[in-house]
Amino acid sequence: NAGVTQTPKFRVLKTGQSMTLLCAQDMNHEYMYWYRQDPGMGLRLIHYSVGEGTTAKGEVPDGYNVSRLKKQNFLLGLESAAPSQTSVYFCASSYSWGAEAFFGQGTRLTVV
Amino acid sequence: RKEVEQDPGPFNVPEGATVAFNCTYSNSASQSFFWYRQDCRKEPKLLMSVYSSGNEDGRFTAQLNRASQYISLLIRDSKLSDSATYLCVVNGAGNTPLVFGKGTRLSVIA
Repeated sequence: NAGVTQTPKFRVLKTGQSMTLLCAQDMNHEYMYWYRQDPGMGLRLIHYSVGEGTTAKGEVPDGYNVSRLKKQNFLLGLESAAPSQTSVYFCASSYSWGAEAFFGQGTRLTVV
Repeated sequence: RKEVEQDPGPFNVPEGATVAFNCTYSNSASQSFFWYRQDCRKEPKLLMSVYSSGNEDGRFTAQLNRASQYISLLIRDSKLSDSATYLCVVNGAGNTPLVFGKGTRLSVIA
């Protein structure tokens, strides 16, 4: 029972490089989310999706893009990485708006 | 006022102690309330949902006070394994995703 799986788990990027984080869920959830977590800041919502083909901005969307081409996958892209994007990124999914969110194991990203 | 506020702690308590955390939220229309637990360098995991009438799960009791807009978590007979950060979670205004508090750190000491 995989739940929510994130790839990769760790990554080091140079400033200006691009990358894509992949999130996959096998629970048939409609809603998917990308959060970042920084010390003292808690979890902050980057982007979210309410279903296949939809995306919306969260609290801190600048510098990120997302796509939800398939219901089970939610991709987070960094077009030109900056040191300020060094963080731990969590993907989550839920059955509905007010329901429990299930999280992936996280991706530790360092931008140097 | 921030949407969800928690005392960051840390709370350092001896094994066997009872400890309580409070959390306040700003959106009076919120309908969903949770406590999550997050271990160091791990993902958040649901500890328990919080219901209007209050609910208990073993050593853990959650209460909701809608009039004052706060949620509480009580842990009885603390174990070393309870050491973690506890996140208060509320659904946001309108149809918006869950909003997480910054968490309260608990350390249970032998």
